[in-house]
Amino acid sequence: DVKVTQSSRYLVKRTGEKVFLECVQDMDHENMFWYRQDPGLGLRLIYFSYDVKMKEKGDIPEGYSVSREKKERFSLILESASTNQTSMYLCAITQGGVSTEAFFGQGTRLTVV
Amino acid sequence: GEDVEQSLFLSVREGDSSVINCTYTDSSSTYLYWYKQEPGAGLQLLTYIFSNMDMKQDQRLTVLLNKKDKHLSLRIADTQTGDSAIYFCAESSKEAAGNKLTFGGGTRVLVKP
Repeated sequence: DVKVTQSSRYLVKRTGEKVFLECVQDMDHENMFWYRQDPGLGLRLIYFSYDVKMKEKGDIPEGYSVSREKKERFSLILESASTNQTSMYLCAITQGGVSTEAFFGQGTRLTVV
Repeated sequence: GEDVEQSLFLSVREGDSSVINCTYTDSSSTYLYWYKQEPGAGLQLLTYIFSNMDMKQDQRLTVLLNKKDKHLSLRIADTQTGDSAIYFCAESSKEAAGNKLTFGGGTRVLVKP
């Protein structure tokens, strides 16, 4: 059974704080993704990584950074949290190449106050 | 860039068929997917279709692909209350580095008893 685990289900942070969202997978998949989900906007890709220490910007990278020091772990960092980063954050993984399935974590609902 | 569009909401009576529509712009799409998100959960793959296919049937699910019009639909036969969820259309292409998925905004399906 594939497991994609996000470190927190719910987080409340203050404006200006540095926030770390962690994602860990146990499937040895090459590709890892961070999306944010907002009502009516679907899932928007923030950053993704196709190998250790490799990262690519997605569609909305501003205000975020990522880290992938080990294959199984992909971290999303909000350098200075702002209220417009209040959202549901979803981590996903896929196997290398064009695979037929992405596996998602349960999501982290982040509220910035 | 790529764009995937869906209607926001669909209401259907239990036992009827549901049809969820999706349009996409990327002509190099290789795979097209339907994901389901139940309340409080991450996304789960329902079904997918290769771009060289017109139709795929999987139990109560039928996927139709009109490649010329870049139109994808998901039909759910004999809709049940457990089918109430948000349904996301997504596409990927073999040119996309790291197998990036582009999602639509999601269609919220409400099944009324």
